[in-house]
Amino acid sequence: EVQLLESGGGLVQPGGSLRLSCAASGFTFGNYIMTWVRQAPGAGLEWVSTIRESGADTYYADSVKGRFTISRDNSKNTLFLQMNSLRRDDTAVYYCAKDHSNWNYETWGQGTLVTVSS
Amino acid sequence: QSALTQPASVSGSPGQSITISCAGTSSDVGGYDYVSWYQQRPGKVPTLKIFDVIKRPSGVSYRFSGSRSGNTASLTISGLQPEDEGDYYCSSYRSDGTQVFGTGTWVTVL
Repeated sequence: EVQLLESGGGLVQPGGSLRLSCAASGFTFGNYIMTWVRQAPGAGLEWVSTIRESGADTYYADSVKGRFTISRDNSKNTLFLQMNSLRRDDTAVYYCAKDHSNWNYETWGQGTLVTVSS
Repeated sequence: QSALTQPASVSGSPGQSITISCAGTSSDVGGYDYVSWYQQRPGKVPTLKIFDVIKRPSGVSYRFSGSRSGNTASLTISGLQPEDEGDYYCSSYRSDGTQVFGTGTWVTVL
C-alpha cells in the first residue's frame, strides 16, 4: 500500500525554523516527483514546492521562495521541507503528495500542522 | 501567483448534474493539458478526481468528467449523490514552472 506520513509540525515563534519530513512507503520513491501543499485554517489549498526525482530540480511558490527549501533522500525514502524565517501566514496543515502523472497528486499524506505564533 | 477563479458555491439536487468552472489564463489552464480536480470532504485529505483535463484516475466514478474551453476548465458531476458534497479545487501547471490551485468551490447536495 502506498503511504505518506508527515512529521515535524508544531508551534514555532515568528522568525523561527522547522523541518518537516515525509516518510514514503509502498512505491519506488526515487522514481517520483514529490510536492508539498499547504492549507491554512479555513482556507483553500496552496501549492508550496515541488522536487523532481533526482532532487536536481526544485520549484517554489513566490510566497516561500528564499525561505523554504525542499529536498529528498532517496536512500531513505524521505522528503523534507526546511522552513526558515517563518511568518504567521505560514500557519497551515502541510501535506506531502506523490505525483501521479503531470503535476497532479493521487496520494497525499495526512498532513502535519504548523502553527506560527508568539 | 494569483489563484485560479472558481465559484464559491454550487448546489444541486440528487440525480441532477452540476458544473464547476475554473478560470485561468493562457499561461496556465489554457496553455497546458495539466489541469486536475480534487474533492476534499471536511476534515479529510484531498482526493484526485480528474487529471490532464479530462482523464479519470482508476476507481473514480464515470459521473465525474472534465473539459476545457479556452482558458476555462470545468468539472461536471452527473447523477449528483450525497457523498459528492464537499470542497472542489482545480489546479494547473503554469508557464513559469510553478503550480496553482483554484479558490475552491463548496458543493451542496440539496
